[in-house]
Amino acid sequence: GNSVTQMEGPVTLSEEAFLTINCTYTATGYPSLFWYVQYPGEGLQLLLKATKADDKGSNKGFEATYRKETTSFHLEKGSVQVSDSAVYFCALSSRGGGATNKLIFGTGTLLAVQP
Amino acid sequence: KAGVTQTPRYLIKTRGQQVTLSCSPISGHRSVSWYQQTPGQGLQFLFEYFSETQRNKGNFPGRFSGRQFSNSRSEMNVSTLELGDSALYLCASSLGHAGLSSYEQYFGPGTRLTVT
Repeated sequence: GNSVTQMEGPVTLSEEAFLTINCTYTATGYPSLFWYVQYPGEGLQLLLKATKADDKGSNKGFEATYRKETTSFHLEKGSVQVSDSAVYFCALSSRGGGATNKLIFGTGTLLAVQP
Repeated sequence: KAGVTQTPRYLIKTRGQQVTLSCSPISGHRSVSWYQQTPGQGLQFLFEYFSETQRNKGNFPGRFSGRQFSNSRSEMNVSTLELGDSALYLCASSLGHAGLSSYEQYFGPGTRLTVT
C-alpha cells in the first residue's frame, strides 16, 4: 500500500543554518505530495505541495522537489529561524483508482531552532 | 475568509460514554475529512465526506462514525469510548474531491479528547 517515510527527529539547528528533512514515499499511480507544519497546540498548516514529477513547491523560504526517480520529496530551507520550530509532516494523496482526498502522513519530524 | 472551525476544542469524557465532535468547513468547500492524531500512531485517516456522501473510510472500528449535512458541516461520533480514543481529532476541508482541480486540504485547530 501507499506509505510515507520521514527522517527521525528531533532535528536541532542553530539559527541561519541550512535545513533538510528527508521524505520518501511508496505509491501506486501518480500521487500528489505535500508538506504540512504543525505549531504547538495548533492544527496542520499546508506549507507547500507538488502535483507531478519535477514540480518544485515553495513557500516562506521552504522548497521541495518531486523526484519520481528516487520517490523523494525532501524539504529544504537555506536559513532557518527560531520561528520555524515546529513539527513537519510529509504527506501524499493518491489520485489513482478513484476520487479521494485521503492523505497519508509520515511520522513527523520535530525541528528545534536555537538562537 | 474564515478557516475551518471545530467545536469543542477540548473534551473530557469517561470510558463507556459517547461523544460528538463538530466541524464547519471553509465557506464553499464541499469535502470534509477527519483524522486522528496520537503520539503512538501519528496521523490516521478516519473518513471523508463529499456532498453528504462518505467517499472513503479508514481502518477504525464501527464505534467511529460520521456524517455530513447539506451545508457541508460535518460531525463525527465515537460511541463506547475507550482510553485509547484519547487523541487530537482534526478536521480538514477542501473544495472538492480529487477528481476536481482543487483538492488542497485545510485543517482546523482540532478537538482534544481525553478519555478517563
